[in-house]
Amino acid sequence: EVQLVESGGGLVKPGGSLRLSCAASGFTFSNAWMSWVRQAPGKGLEWVGRIKSKTDGGTTDYAAPVKGRFTISRDDSKNTLYLQMNSLKTEDTAVYYCTTEGWFGELSLDYWGQGTLVTVSS
Amino acid sequence: QSVLTQPPSASGTPGQRVTISCSGSSSNIGSNTVNWYQQLPGTAPKLLIYSNNQRPSGVPDRFSGSKSGTSASLAISGLQSEDEADYYCAAWDDSLNGHVVFGGGTKLTVL
Repeated sequence: EVQLVESGGGLVKPGGSLRLSCAASGFTFSNAWMSWVRQAPGKGLEWVGRIKSKTDGGTTDYAAPVKGRFTISRDDSKNTLYLQMNSLKTEDTAVYYCTTEGWFGELSLDYWGQGTLVTVSS
Repeated sequence: QSVLTQPPSASGTPGQRVTISCSGSSSNIGSNTVNWYQQLPGTAPKLLIYSNNQRPSGVPDRFSGSKSGTSASLAISGLQSEDEADYYCAAWDDSLNGHVVFGGGTKLTVL
């Protein structure tokens, strides 16, 4: 059974940093493209970025609002995905989900974790 | 403002058929496949439809998807109370270097 468990959320001040983790199990993590998606309170879904598998280059892509501030990385030996968030802004307040990508269809976000809440406030 | 446009709300009575539209452009829906996600209250989203009209195993065949040109639709037939949820369309956008774009979401109410 595919499981994705996010952790690391919490309250942080504007300008601060936070690192989220996503522990994966039930599939071959090293072969998977992974994405982060966020959802501000009461709002819709927003794609944050992705990291490809190392066999596909291991490259990353980021949405414009987070490019240059957020970094996605992976540790295939630990089956874990990371999201390093720097220079946080109040508008980054959201539930952050990790997802697998592209298993079923073209860039489909196939399996989702339960999410972790990040609150950016002074 | 979302790149893909969905109606903010939809409603129907049990047993009815409802459709939710998703409008985009030539750089996203017009040239790539559409995926749909269901988010039940208080839970994480779940993949409902992929590649325009395919259902992952476990998704009832009451749910169907279609695409024409730069628009897509999600249809739910035999509406049930447990279908009350938020529904999001999504697609890859070529003008954004392959980034995923979402619709703003449609809140479906079962009356």
